[in-house]
Amino acid sequence: ILNVEQSPQSLHVQEGDSTNFTCSFPSSNFYALHWYRWETAKSPEALFVMTLNGDEKKKGRISATLNTKEGYSYLYIKGSQPEDSATYLCAYDRDDKIIFGKGTRLHILP
Amino acid sequence: DAGVIQSPRHEVTEMGQEVTLRCKPISGHDYLFWYRQTMMRGLELLIYFNNNVPIDDSGMPEDRFSAKMPNASFSTLKIQPSEPRDSAVYFCASSEDTFYGYTFGSGTRLTVV
Repeated sequence: ILNVEQSPQSLHVQEGDSTNFTCSFPSSNFYALHWYRWETAKSPEALFVMTLNGDEKKKGRISATLNTKEGYSYLYIKGSQPEDSATYLCAYDRDDKIIFGKGTRLHILP
Repeated sequence: DAGVIQSPRHEVTEMGQEVTLRCKPISGHDYLFWYRQTMMRGLELLIYFNNNVPIDDSGMPEDRFSAKMPNASFSTLKIQPSEPRDSAVYFCASSEDTFYGYTFGSGTRLTVV
């Protein structure tokens, strides 16, 4: 059974604060780890794809790290803004298919 | 490019009826995926195709579900007969190479009453 776990399930963060959340995945047969941002009533939008242990990616105020040996990735958001409110999905990529976690629902409080 | 196009956007049907969901992938993308999203189970892979050939359908819940890809620009997901527990948002996604991730369609919200 392939489990991709994300925590926390839901998170409330004050505007301006920084935050982070976790994705855990199997460390075997690893090909890539993807992060998606999913706003309500829209389709998931790709944020990052990482493949190498120790990879770090950055896009504006959002960054992500990858540890393939222990099977986890962190997503960081610096100085949260209302537009960051969304569900953040991670997806473990192996054998030409991607298995998604259930996401972390982020709410930014004004 | 118009992206991945799904139709219809919303479908309400009565239990027992046949439902057909449609997807047009991005031109040149060799992979096509069907996902189902529910609150309880999140985003689940149902089936995926590579070059129009079904590769893995282990996520298809039961025989009532079937998917076809008759050509590179069109795929269908059919549910017959439909049941209330099939109510969900069904996403189609396509990819040139899964390394680059997927591009998702806008989804079809299915309600079976």
